[in-house]
Amino acid sequence: DAKTTQPPSMDCAEGRAANLPCNHSTISGNEYVYWYRQIHSQGPQYIIHGLKNNETNEMASLIITEDRKSSTLILPHATLRDTAVYYCIAPPGGYQKVTFGTGTKLQVIP
Amino acid sequence: GAVVSQHPSWVICKSGTSVKIECRSLDFQATTMFWYRQFPKQSLMLMATSNEGSKATYEQGVEKDKFLINHASLTLSTLTVTSAHPEDSSFYICSGSAAVQETQYFGPGTRLLVL
Repeated sequence: DAKTTQPPSMDCAEGRAANLPCNHSTISGNEYVYWYRQIHSQGPQYIIHGLKNNETNEMASLIITEDRKSSTLILPHATLRDTAVYYCIAPPGGYQKVTFGTGTKLQVIP
Repeated sequence: GAVVSQHPSWVICKSGTSVKIECRSLDFQATTMFWYRQFPKQSLMLMATSNEGSKATYEQGVEKDKFLINHASLTLSTLTVTSAHPEDSSFYICSGSAAVQETQYFGPGTRLLVL
């Protein structure tokens, strides 16, 4: 699976948009980009995924660059409950073996 | 999203005993289930992958005779830690997906403490 690179930590003010970047320059054409988050002492929670087009759901938006080498997860109005470690992953096409990196620890500040 | 449950949520056992952890997909059929382990302040590490009705595929360094995985139905997988030792104390998390190309949904995790 493609290696992903994320900043180790970020802060965001409550109510503001949180923009979490991810680099995946070695991603291949059939590899999706997935985002999960892990709130302390819980299992990871699926957020969103995409291949080429930007995606939006009730939790977040995913912006993927045209060359697919990077993406940004956007939490439009961050709340304190969004404080978590966010993982960006790109599993190999056709097989969902997921390799988790160290992710980005997002701290939402009151 | 799809829901995966784990039981128990936490367990304390004596060294040398065996512990079984159940993972259930509640509202979908999980053709493939995965087991992860997470040590404090570390990321998740994949232990094994199992397809319903087949033997599990273990990652390098994971002892298959120590961590027994059974995926007998499309909604249930079990992980048995045999002859547990203190170094097996960890947070064990399962996930399931409806097909190999489908999204993985994770359980809440099971915290194991071996005394």
